[in-house]
Amino acid sequence: DTAVSQTPKYLVTQMGNDKSIKCEQNLGHDTMYWYKQDSKKFLKIMFSYNNKELIINETVPNRFSPKSPDKAHLNLHINSLELGDSAVYFCASSQLGQANGNTIYFGEGSWLTVV
Amino acid sequence: EDKVVQSPLSLVVHEGDTVTLNCSYEVTNFRSLLWYKQEKKAPTFLFMLTSSGIEKKSGRLSSILDKKELFSILNITATQTGDSAIYLCAGDTGFQKLVFGTGTRLLVSP
Repeated sequence: DTAVSQTPKYLVTQMGNDKSIKCEQNLGHDTMYWYKQDSKKFLKIMFSYNNKELIINETVPNRFSPKSPDKAHLNLHINSLELGDSAVYFCASSQLGQANGNTIYFGEGSWLTVV
Repeated sequence: EDKVVQSPLSLVVHEGDTVTLNCSYEVTNFRSLLWYKQEKKAPTFLFMLTSSGIEKKSGRLSSILDKKELFSILNITATQTGDSAIYLCAGDTGFQKLVFGTGTRLLVSP
């Protein structure tokens, strides 16, 4: 069983379109994240949700709207896609409050290409 | 601004060599330093370090943290081709956020 699963794995779409990426975790974690990895492999946080509440929004354009229907799911909707949105989007989860910090577990990534 | 810097950016070695990867950090409210290995897909967790001077080991990999000098190293002994990957270092800011470095791309040639 995949602990953090996201769909679709690959997505090619035209500029201006709206698309969504879905994520689910079966680890029982209370916190979920979206990270973006650019072409230079730099991995940067976009959002985090704790128990369905938005905790972190790292100056991401408001074309990106995360939604967490419950603590096991965090979806990412992107409006009016631009060429610069092409990247790999990683969903992740963790359990806060652990004694020794915050180990984050990543999904396998969604490769988004905007043409 | 929180910052994590890794060096070298890339490295090519022969099987059997020992490599040391470096990570320096400037992270407010620092809680821990994490190492991940990324092959083709998801970064996979290697180590979490919270205390200085205590080496963590997993097989041929080991890592240590120096909280005074704000750096960590990841050692891989007797490298194998399967160790070829991008190694990512991240600082846990304690605000539910990991700040990643740009990674070190390791290539182990047969």
